Parts: sequence; structure tokens; C-alpha cells
Amino acid sequence: AQTVTQSQPEMSVQEAETVTLSCTYDTSESDYYLFWYKQPPSRQMILVIRQEAYKQQNATENRFSVNFQKAAKSFSLKISDSQLGDAAMYFCAYSTSGTYKYIFGTGTRLKVLA
Amino acid sequence: EAQVTQNPRYLITVTGKKLTVTCSQNMNHEYMSWYRQDPGLGLRQIYYSMNVEVTDKGDVPEGYKVSRKEKRNFPLILESPSPNQTSLYFCASSLWPDNEQFFGPGTRLTVL
Repeated sequence: AQTVTQSQPEMSVQEAETVTLSCTYDTSESDYYLFWYKQPPSRQMILVIRQEAYKQQNATENRFSVNFQKAAKSFSLKISDSQLGDAAMYFCAYSTSGTYKYIFGTGTRLKVLA
Repeated sequence: EAQVTQNPRYLITVTGKKLTVTCSQNMNHEYMSWYRQDPGLGLRQIYYSMNVEVTDKGDVPEGYKVSRKEKRNFPLILESPSPNQTSLYFCASSLWPDNEQFFGPGTRLTVL
């Protein structure tokens, strides 16, 4: 069965600094997709970044980038130049066209210190 | 405006009283899904649907039912709610499961 693990329940970062959130996953599939979602205090879930497993190149979206290590089954999120608005819960997620299921990790709460 | 709507946003009910949480999307998405979010457990998928009349169980389907009679609607039914179903529920839709999911605003359910 596929699983997604986020081992950091909570992290803190100083404003303008860089922080990395960890995510590991387990799957026997070769074709799958990985996501990071942000959930601010408003509870609205927002996509941060998406990675296709068959692509070697790491996805980036402005200040957000991932380090995708397929062999290690690792998918970490790096936030550069952290801003107060980045404070939120961050969820790593996995999906595959093999099962059509969507699996989330338990989340990492990020605090940004002024 | 492209969106996923859920109703109600908040609901307090009693054990055993049947309830339905509605979900509707206006983006012509094929894939729809229900999740529950609990502290420390993240989001867990309850049911998902690939198309009209096609639904399947997620990881925590016990105690829930769904139907997909129209492409845009995907209601979640609790026939006999119990206190352990107290949770925050999200409906989501996407073009396909490997695409970005668009989430509704969430429904906070309390079962007494």
C-alpha cells in the first residue's frame, strides 16, 4: 500500500530565511505524482507545487522548490525568503493513475517568526 | 468563478440522525473526492469518483455513502452518524487524479 510520511509535525523559520519541509513516500508504482498543499488558518487548501515522477527536473514555483529524489522516495519542499504569509500547515500528497487514490501525509505546521 | 461549494459549512447533530453534505463544482471536472481531516492524521480519503455513476472507496469509507448522479455534484451521506465521525470534511475536484485538486471550504461536523 502507498504511504506518505511527514516526520516534522512543526517547524519554525525566521522571516526572510530558508526552510525545508521533509516528505517521504512508499510505493511500488513507477508512474505517480507528488504534491505539496498549503492550508492557512482560513482552512482553504491551496496547491503549492506538483511534481511528475517521470520528470528528473525538480519543480519550482517562485520561492517554492522541491528536491525530488526518486530512488530514495523523498520529496522535500524548500521555501526561500520566508514571509509571514507562508505560515500554514503544509501537506505532502501522492496520487497515481494506477489506483486513482489520493494520499496525504499528516502535515507540518510552519511558523514564521518576525 | 471556478469553485467547489459545500453545504453546510457547520453542522451539529446527534447520533443516528441521517445527514447529507452537498458538494458541487462548476469546472466540468471528472474526478471528485471526499476527505476528512483530523488533528495528527492529516487528510484521509473517504470516497472518490472518476465519473458519473462511478465511485470507489478511499482509505476510510466505513459509515459513509456517496453518489454521483450528475457530473457536478457529489454528496456525502452519513446514514447513522456517530461521535467518531466528528471531523472537518473537504470535498475536492480535479480534471484527473494526477492533476491539482480544487478544494471546497470545508464542513465542520460535530456529532453529539
